[in-house]
Amino acid sequence: GQNIDQPTEMTATEGAIVQINCTYQTSGFNGLFWYQQHAGEAPTFLSYNVLDGLEEKGRFSSFLSRSKGYSYLLLKELQMKDSASYLCAAADSNYQLIWGAGTKLIIKP
Amino acid sequence: GAVVSQHPSWVICKSGTSVKIECRSLDFQATTMFWYRQFPKQSLMLMATSNEGSKATYEQGVEKDKFLINHASLTLSTLTVTSAHPEDSSFYICSARALGQEVSPLHFGNGTRLTVT
Repeated sequence: GQNIDQPTEMTATEGAIVQINCTYQTSGFNGLFWYQQHAGEAPTFLSYNVLDGLEEKGRFSSFLSRSKGYSYLLLKELQMKDSASYLCAAADSNYQLIWGAGTKLIIKP
Repeated sequence: GAVVSQHPSWVICKSGTSVKIECRSLDFQATTMFWYRQFPKQSLMLMATSNEGSKATYEQGVEKDKFLINHASLTLSTLTVTSAHPEDSSFYICSARALGQEVSPLHFGNGTRLTVT
């Protein structure tokens, strides 16, 4: 079956670094997406990885290892506004997105 | 950038009535639209996938006669919740994708908060 796993909740301190992990099992693979979702709002796109390696975009970076079925989202210099849920989604062979349950990130001052 | 407009943002209706939610792609042709439902503190749950001009494909457990989806044009899809009940209260979100953009990010509407009293 197809499955995405990510931690339910994480807590970090303002100014620090946090890594949110995601493991996936899909029928075929066409890339891994990360979305940010604030409470009561729709998700917004953060990153897309289809090749192994690290993609850096400002304070946010995303890593992919296809052989391990593993990705992480790295957030640096955390700000209070980064408090949100972070959703991992893998695209299968039909480009259907398989969504993780989301990781709620709590930032403390 | 691509914009998806969803309307209304929130709606309160009485049990037994029907509610229609609209999803429009404003600056691109959305050949495929997706309808999601999200209960509090839970992740997105795909309800159905609709392709312009054809019948929607519903996910297992989603009643197609209760959640009517129409994708009559390349810029508009509608979701009608028929005979709504309190358990249908949820956050409904649409997203859209253009032809040939299968690996591009989904463009999401802002969501509709439905409360059934």
